[in-house]
Amino acid sequence: DVKVTQSSRYLVKRTGEKVFLECVQDMDHENMFWYRQDPGLGLRLIYFSYDVKMKEKGDIPEGYSVSREKKERFSLILESASTNQTSMYLCASTSAHRSYNEQFFGPGTRLTVL
Amino acid sequence: SQQGEEDPQALSIQEGENATMNCSYKTSINNLQWYRQNSGRGLVHLILIRSNEREKHSGRLRVTLDTSKKSSSLLITASRAADTASYFCATVFLRGTQGAQKLVFGQGTRLTINP
Repeated sequence: DVKVTQSSRYLVKRTGEKVFLECVQDMDHENMFWYRQDPGLGLRLIYFSYDVKMKEKGDIPEGYSVSREKKERFSLILESASTNQTSMYLCASTSAHRSYNEQFFGPGTRLTVL
Repeated sequence: SQQGEEDPQALSIQEGENATMNCSYKTSINNLQWYRQNSGRGLVHLILIRSNEREKHSGRLRVTLDTSKKSSSLLITASRAADTASYFCATVFLRGTQGAQKLVFGQGTRLTINP
């Protein structure tokens, strides 16, 4: 059974803290994505990665960075958390070798920044 | 923005009735996908329709695509209480030199099935 896991379901951090959100997939997928989901705004792409050590900015990369040192793991980093980064964060992965590919999502991390 | 838009934003029906959700988008697409999200969880892929297809079925799901109108609809027949969830359409277009397929999601339709 294919699986995308995220390091935490719920996380509470303080303003200014450095926050790491980790995502692991076991499907040997090349492409991995980080989204944030907010009421009324839907899902917005923060960053994605199409290979190890390769990354590309999404629609809202400001305030975030990412790391992909291994194929199965994609980390989202909030260098200095702010209250406007309180959100649901969703990780997804997909194969690069199929013409029409669905994304597989993790369960999400609900981050609260106080 | 290339974001799709779902209509209606919320839908409440009785169990056993059919539910129809619509999605409109702005640019040419490679394919269009529908996803479901149970409250507070990740998204689950339901069905994919290619740009050269007009209709597709999967169990109780029926998806149509009208590329001339840049719209799609998702029909759930004989709804069940367990169908209560949010439903998102996502349009796919190629991005970047590596050809990574990027999904652009609509804001979703919140479907409630009343027993």
